[in-house]
Amino acid sequence: QVQLQESGPGLVKPSETLSLTCTVSGGSVSSGSYYWSWIRQPPGKGLEWIGYIYYSGSTNYNPSLKSRVTISVDTSKNQFSLKLSSVTAADTAVYYCARDLFADYWGQGTLVTVSS
Amino acid sequence: EIVLTQSPATLSLSPGERATLSCRASQSVSSYLAWYQQKPGQAPRLLIYDASNRADGIPARFSGSGSGTDFTLTISSLEPEDFAVYYCQQRSNWITFGQGTRLEIK
Repeated sequence: QVQLQESGPGLVKPSETLSLTCTVSGGSVSSGSYYWSWIRQPPGKGLEWIGYIYYSGSTNYNPSLKSRVTISVDTSKNQFSLKLSSVTAADTAVYYCARDLFADYWGQGTLVTVSS
Repeated sequence: EIVLTQSPATLSLSPGERATLSCRASQSVSSYLAWYQQKPGQAPRLLIYDASNRADGIPARFSGSGSGTDFTLTISSLEPEDFAVYYCQQRSNWITFGQGTRLEIK
């Protein structure tokens, strides 16, 4: 059974960089069959796809976030990561990692609050 | 950006009734559409992909139909655990979600 688990700080100051890691178990990020995604959900609101990465390192980002987002993969650790720079309160959300572009496996989500 | 519009925003039904949820795309997404169910405090759960294919472990009472710009999720006979928020999502041109339909107990 594939499992994903997000980790990282729950509180980030405005203008700083949000950094999260997703650890995959029961499957491999090196599998050529899947993309690996980050999705977020502000409290009480809908879902927004942030971006995704292929094991080769090829990425695709939400145009509205593209200038601030970096997604990377570490196949040796079976992890992929998200960095979002210059955060504001509008970036406060539950951040999910997920498998593929129709997300069949999700992490439990981690709430990141942007506040001083 | 492809905009997905879900209707109704809220649907009030009783267990045992049939639920019909709609998702309309601002331009054709072919069959690149999925449906998710989300309960409070939980991650979304994939129900349907490619418009009409049930994901692994999804009960047969869930079905999806449509192509192009108009899609429907049908729950044939509501169970108590089906009351939740439902989202559609397209991956034809970038990836976007609809705003959700809340299915509540009448």
